[in-house]
Amino acid sequence: DIQMTQSPSSLSASVGDRVTITCRASQSIDGFLNWYQYKPGGAPNLLIHSTVHLKRGVSTRFSGSGDGTDFTLTIDDLQPEDFATYYCQQCKTFPLTFGGGTRLEIK
Amino acid sequence: QLQLQESGPGLAQPSETLSLTCTVSGGSLKSYYWSWIRKPPGKELEWIGYVYYNGDTNYNPSLKSRVAMSADMSKDQFSLKLGSVTAADTAVYYCARYIRGAGYYLDYWGQGIQVTVSS
Repeated sequence: DIQMTQSPSSLSASVGDRVTITCRASQSIDGFLNWYQYKPGGAPNLLIHSTVHLKRGVSTRFSGSGDGTDFTLTIDDLQPEDFATYYCQQCKTFPLTFGGGTRLEIK
Repeated sequence: QLQLQESGPGLAQPSETLSLTCTVSGGSLKSYYWSWIRKPPGKELEWIGYVYYNGDTNYNPSLKSRVAMSADMSKDQFSLKLGSVTAADTAVYYCARYIRGAGYYLDYWGQGIQVTVSS
C-alpha cells in the first residue's frame, strides 16, 4: 500500500494568515492527489482533486501543487470557516489511502 | 445537489455481521462508483472498497475476506456488509461517490454513522 504522510499534524494560525500543509507519498503517485476538509459532525468535503483542480464552488484561496511524491495545500488569507482538519489522499493505486490529517486551529 | 445518507445499527455484537446502507438522493447510482470509507477512533481514514452501479466491486485487501458490497439501482441505495466484526471495527463509517474518469476522487460524502462493536 502507498503510505501518505502529512505534516504538520497540527498547526495554529490567525485569520488573514497564509498556511501550507504538505503531504508525502511513499512512492510516486504522479498527480493523483486529492485534498479534503473535515469539520466535526460533518461530511468530508473535497477541496482539490488531481493535485491542482479546485472543486467547483471552493474558494480560490485554496490551491494545490506538487508532483511525484511531494504535494502541498496552501490556504491564503485564512478565514474563520477554514479552521478544520485537512486530509490528503492518493488515487494512483488501490487500495486508496489517506494521510493522517492536519488539524488547523485558531491562534 | 447530490446527497448521501448512511443508515444502519449503531451497535454491533462481536463476531456478527455489520450491515449499513447508503441512500443517494438528488442523483442516480447509474454510471458511477460508490465507496465506503471508515475512520476508527485515533486512526487514519481507511478506504474499504467500492461497488459500481452494475455490481462490480473492488475491496481493500486488508478487509477483503470479510466485506461484501452491493448496489440497488431501483432504490438508489448501496450497501456494505462486514462480517466477523471485532472491537477494531468500531469506527465512523462514511459512504461516498468515487469519480473515475477525468480525475479520480471522492466528490460527495455522507455525514457518517458511528458504529460501535461491543457486547
